[in-house]
Amino acid sequence: NAGVTQTPKFRVLKTGQSMTLLCAQDMNHEYMYWYRQDPGMGLRLIHYSVGEGTTAKGEVPDGYNVSRLKKQNFLLGLESAAPSQTSVYFCASSIPGPTRSYNEQFFGPGTRLTVL
Amino acid sequence: TQLLEQSPQFLSIQEGENLTVYCNSSSVFSSLQWYRQEPGEGPVLLVTVVTGGEVKKLKRLTFQFGDARKDSSLHITAAQPGDTGLYLCAGARRYSSASKIIFGSGTRLSIRP
Repeated sequence: NAGVTQTPKFRVLKTGQSMTLLCAQDMNHEYMYWYRQDPGMGLRLIHYSVGEGTTAKGEVPDGYNVSRLKKQNFLLGLESAAPSQTSVYFCASSIPGPTRSYNEQFFGPGTRLTVL
Repeated sequence: TQLLEQSPQFLSIQEGENLTVYCNSSSVFSSLQWYRQEPGEGPVLLVTVVTGGEVKKLKRLTFQFGDARKDSSLHITAAQPGDTGLYLCAGARRYSSASKIIFGSGTRLSIRP
């Protein structure tokens, strides 16, 4: 099993350009997440999905869109990139715990995005 | 807004020393997780604690969940260079949705040979 994979690993964009980050998981997990990680700020949730065809906003959703057309894939889109979106982006997947009290998340290797 | 504060933010110690990292909040969590992240990789789950006062051991790492389930600690005995990395705690509330998992800002640990 590959676990959670992300493409691309690195990308440099100019302000105003668009791009899509792809996340794929082969563990048949229901939940998928997109986070961004910035120095000194830990992981912040951008959007998440609790199942195929459903998405919801997280803590910092502005400037991003997502889609989950297939259970194994979760796409993160930037329609008009801004320098403030320079960050490392992580995708994760999980299954809900028995009481939904905890989600043990499996993370991808990350995408390092720089917006000039 | 619930916050998970980790301390210290940075720690550099000599191989063989002991250390403790803390994760504190004013909120009650039904479970708390610790992850380790190495440079260029995603976080990897180390442990989940769910009961107040719970202690779990993973080789030289000891994790404790506070009695009131507001805080947690990670103690490393005889630190090794392989323990170097970013340690993140993450808290979740009972019956919370997927959006309610809160991550701390992390403790960056460096073990000098």
